[in-house]
Amino acid sequence: EPEVTQTPSHQVTQMGQEVILRCVPISNHLYFYWYRQILGQKVEFLVSFYNNEISEKSEIFDDQFSVERPDGSNFTLKIRSTKLEDSAMYFCASTEGRSNTGELFFGEGSRLTVL
Amino acid sequence: AQSVTQLDSQVPVFEEAPVELRCNYSSSVSVYLFWYVQYPNQGLQLLLKYLSGSTLVKGINGFEAEFNKSQTSFHLRKPSVHISDTAEYFCAVSDLRGYSTLTFGKGTMLLVSP
Repeated sequence: EPEVTQTPSHQVTQMGQEVILRCVPISNHLYFYWYRQILGQKVEFLVSFYNNEISEKSEIFDDQFSVERPDGSNFTLKIRSTKLEDSAMYFCASTEGRSNTGELFFGEGSRLTVL
Repeated sequence: AQSVTQLDSQVPVFEEAPVELRCNYSSSVSVYLFWYVQYPNQGLQLLLKYLSGSTLVKGINGFEAEFNKSQTSFHLRKPSVHISDTAEYFCAVSDLRGYSTLTFGKGTMLLVSP
């Protein structure tokens, strides 16, 4: 069964460093998402991406964050200068298209620890 | 904007007992409703969803949920749980746009013991 894959599964970084989290969505999907979950808190929407541009973003997704689909298969989330509060589990998700009924297919997550 | 409240952060239950995980939502527009499950060290997996029609929806692994519009609730139930049901359960809503942004609750940890 097709699945969304994410790398790395766990990354530890120093505050102020740049981090790139990678995702390979399901191949025929057109909409891509990043969510995050800070330990003990809700899963929060960060950004959605369609047709090579951001379609929606939350207030969490500030100038420190960026997304890219560099090669037609990967979907990346970059954090330019990490802060302690960026420590979280980051989930990538994808879905087929505009007619979808809200079901997202999630990856297993990338745990980011900022020291 | 929508919001989701899961009142119980943790629900301990014995194997073969029934369980209900509560979810309430608020929204100014009509929504789709979902339950996702996260097993240890795995991603979020769709358990069931309500889009329209019958208010009682059945999902995988013997779970079901009932949509109650007047009470704005979508509680998840299972008549007899197994050890393998131990996981985190997330209630979520999305509005009716074709591309959907999910709003999640904080999650409920279901702990099934022998």
